[in-house]
Amino acid sequence: GAVVSQHPSRVICKSGTSVKIECRSLDFQATTMFWYRQFPKQSLMLMATSNEGSKATYEQGVEKDKFLINHASLTLSTLTVTSAHPEDSSFYICSAREATSSQYFGPGTRLTVL
Amino acid sequence: AQSVTQPDIHITVSEGASLELRCNYSYGATPYLFWYVQSPGQGLQLLLKYFSGDTLVQGIKGFEAEFKRSQSSFNLRKPSVHWSDAAEYFCAVGAGSNYQLIWGAGTKLIIKP
Repeated sequence: GAVVSQHPSRVICKSGTSVKIECRSLDFQATTMFWYRQFPKQSLMLMATSNEGSKATYEQGVEKDKFLINHASLTLSTLTVTSAHPEDSSFYICSAREATSSQYFGPGTRLTVL
Repeated sequence: AQSVTQPDIHITVSEGASLELRCNYSYGATPYLFWYVQSPGQGLQLLLKYFSGDTLVQGIKGFEAEFKRSQSSFNLRKPSVHWSDAAEYFCAVGAGSNYQLIWGAGTKLIIKP
């Protein structure tokens, strides 16, 4: 149980385009979902916290107009990187929190912006 | 300020030897503590967690961790490591109303044959 999927696992796009990443909790309802960014050989950096039906709460320094988060249901959250640039290239990871407070993580999405 | 410290950036252990990964935290209230493992090319997997009760917590893959409030520690242990245990290990504290995770920097475990 407690499986979280992410799609796509890998995406390459041109500079200036937008990319949408989906995060789904497959076998539980997640009131809260989190989006992280992980740089090579570093720990995870929390970007935003998303509660179903509410606007996401962004961490300091994260541009909410650039990283659009939608949490329309208890099993789906999406992250859209708008007008992507090479510096946005990174590994993006989502997690979903179940009722017991444990977070379960998706496998991540490798974004490469050319 | 809330923080998690993993003092060892990497640790090398011989296969079959015992393992202890250190984690210290700074948190005002009773912490929710977690250990996650990240293998190359794979997502983060929850190894174990401590919320309350017995301070010795058993997890998956033969791991255990002990919560010591007096030392603000939550060290991860395994009596005998296997080559497949080579990975990055992260300690985290759950904080706030949404139980956001405050992460340690991670410890990379290297297994010697």
